[in-house]
Amino acid sequence: QKEVEQNSGPLSVPEGAIASLNCTYSDRGSQSFFWYRQYSGKSPELIMFIYSNGDKEDGRFTAQLNKASQYVSLLIRDSQPSDSATYLCAVNPISGGYQKVTFGIGTKLQVIP
Amino acid sequence: KAGVTQTPRYLIKTRGQQVTLSCSPISGHRSVSWYQQTPGQGLQFLFEYFSETQRNKGNFPGRFSGRQFSNSRSEMNVSTLELGDSALYLCASSLAGQSGNTIYFGEGSWLTVV
Repeated sequence: QKEVEQNSGPLSVPEGAIASLNCTYSDRGSQSFFWYRQYSGKSPELIMFIYSNGDKEDGRFTAQLNKASQYVSLLIRDSQPSDSATYLCAVNPISGGYQKVTFGIGTKLQVIP
Repeated sequence: KAGVTQTPRYLIKTRGQQVTLSCSPISGHRSVSWYQQTPGQGLQFLFEYFSETQRNKGNFPGRFSGRQFSNSRSEMNVSTLELGDSALYLCASSLAGQSGNTIYFGEGSWLTVV
């Protein structure tokens, strides 16, 4: 079992719709969770981080964390063509210790105009 | 505030050669991590350095090595290059490399082995 699982996609949504990206992780001790966006040919850039169960909103982005289910999601409201990219879920599997951030394979999102 | 700087950005090497990649972290960041990204495997953790010490290491052969200098700058070296080493090598820095610290990536070094 991979430590961080994501559906590689592509996930296609029409412009203006809500895109829902999902991620599961295997280490129950994980404490910190990140979403990165990576455009083709570019390096990953941080979108959001979340540490506590529940929702965290930042503009059009909402991260959701459910530690009991070992599940993290990212919602993108009012999706724009410029949101088309690969979204990487990242988890720090070391509880309280030093980081060894583990990434999922990434979900490719396509926003159709 | 300058971001994470990686050099060189692009390079082509021949099988059997070695390569050294350099990374300058964000000012004040003391933890540097290295990742390899390939289309099939995604982002894979190579190693992490803090205060010139390697604290964590991923599942890569001994041909992959690194070091960190007193100014937090880091280098990674790959010896006896293989075709499969062709990848994007990403350096990331964080304040102290502790759980919860956000990591920020450089632009990466694109390595092609022919």
